[in-house]
Amino acid sequence: DSGVTQTPKHLITATGQRVTLRCSPRSGDLSVYWYQQSLDQGLQFLIQYYNGEERAKGNILERFSAQQFPDLHSELNLSSLELGDSALYFCASSPRQGNEKLFFGSGTQLSVL
Amino acid sequence: GENVEQHPSTLSVQEGDSAVIKCTYSDSASNYFPWYKQELGKRPQLIIDIRSNVGEKKDQRIAVTLNKTAKHFSLHITETQPEDSAVYFCAAGGSNYQLIWGAGTKLIIKP
Repeated sequence: DSGVTQTPKHLITATGQRVTLRCSPRSGDLSVYWYQQSLDQGLQFLIQYYNGEERAKGNILERFSAQQFPDLHSELNLSSLELGDSALYFCASSPRQGNEKLFFGSGTQLSVL
Repeated sequence: GENVEQHPSTLSVQEGDSAVIKCTYSDSASNYFPWYKQELGKRPQLIIDIRSNVGEKKDQRIAVTLNKTAKHFSLHITETQPEDSAVYFCAAGGSNYQLIWGAGTKLIIKP
């Protein structure tokens, strides 16, 4: 167990809908990262938050948004969902700003039908 | 932009043999190089990392070497075992703390 909690584990929804994925980082970790992994693909970095502020942005679509709350948990909001958004979404956390070990959660499997 | 190239995309080795996966990075300011292992259906987990002030690091059957001049680093697994079968990802981190990831290598250990 990495100490990073993601909910829900599975999510099935329809095209055009909006969903929210939640991540609780390890106790004491200040950074939260979101990654998207499509079937048999690599890890696509979406966004990083550090101590409540956006720290880095990757290839995140405009339909997607995220935030980190004062208690350091984070939410990833996906809207106007398309079939191609079906993927495994990982959250990871680390103690500081980066260039250190990432602790990944077990992921949320999103299926858009 | 910065990128990390990882080769091969698939590697099949006989159990007990060695496996080597190579990554090349473009940003000369990169100073942190981790390797993650992702077993089927599981989360990625760090197996070893190296910083630019070190040329080699070992942890039991796993080693990583770094050549800063050529801007490449490699993962070496000796005496491979069935449980080494997984996808391995390399990454490079620089002064902006953002990791750039390789595309992954699927390692298959043949019995």
